[in-house]
Amino acid sequence: QSALTQPASVSGSPGQSITISCTGTSSDIGTYNLISWYQHHPGEAPKLIIFEVTKRPSGISSRFSGSKSANTASLTISGLQSEDEADYYCCSYSDVITSVLFGGGTKLTVL
Amino acid sequence: EVNLVEIGGTLVQPGRSLRLSCAASGFKFDMFAMHWVRQAPGKGLEWVSGISWNSGSIVYAESVKGRFTISRDNAKNSLYLQMNSLRREDTALYYCVKDMGEAEVGTGFDYWGQGTLVTVSS
Repeated sequence: QSALTQPASVSGSPGQSITISCTGTSSDIGTYNLISWYQHHPGEAPKLIIFEVTKRPSGISSRFSGSKSANTASLTISGLQSEDEADYYCCSYSDVITSVLFGGGTKLTVL
Repeated sequence: EVNLVEIGGTLVQPGRSLRLSCAASGFKFDMFAMHWVRQAPGKGLEWVSGISWNSGSIVYAESVKGRFTISRDNAKNSLYLQMNSLRREDTALYYCVKDMGEAEVGTGFDYWGQGTLVTVSS
């Protein structure tokens, strides 16, 4: 089973907004709302920032938002800050393998 | 405070076995599914295996199916990963991860350990 498809990199200037896409199939993103997003700073443990497509865990800034359309999920970060520079991963349940898939990861650079 | 501490990572030869353990604290361990997620050097996150709250449902990534076995002991608040027939491509940092739900479907991985490094090399 292939990983979910994310762009390898995105960039933006402080204060701008960026969107990271995550493309799957009707066997995962297209059917299930078990979609989550993770922020990973090198050397640290990954952090959950979005779950069930749009929900934010307690303590996560409202600058982070999630959405889904057909087989593609998206993470939007508004008001970019330097500390947002990190790797971002999407994740979804898949009924093809009845388990979990990660995207390949997207490196966000804040210019 | 939720805490997940992995132990057991080391240098091991190809074909050998290794067992990872994860000690959990700070939450009702027997109410949540648990997972192992790994990250190979320079690569992205890869989900490895998940187990439901009561061990009633267990799932594996195709890359480890038949070689790895996940288990848990709710009385000891512990998660395990038995890794057999290790390959060089299993070299990675292995994270113990808590699910937000009781089923192993990846509702959301809300707590992660710091990881334990497994290196498979001769």
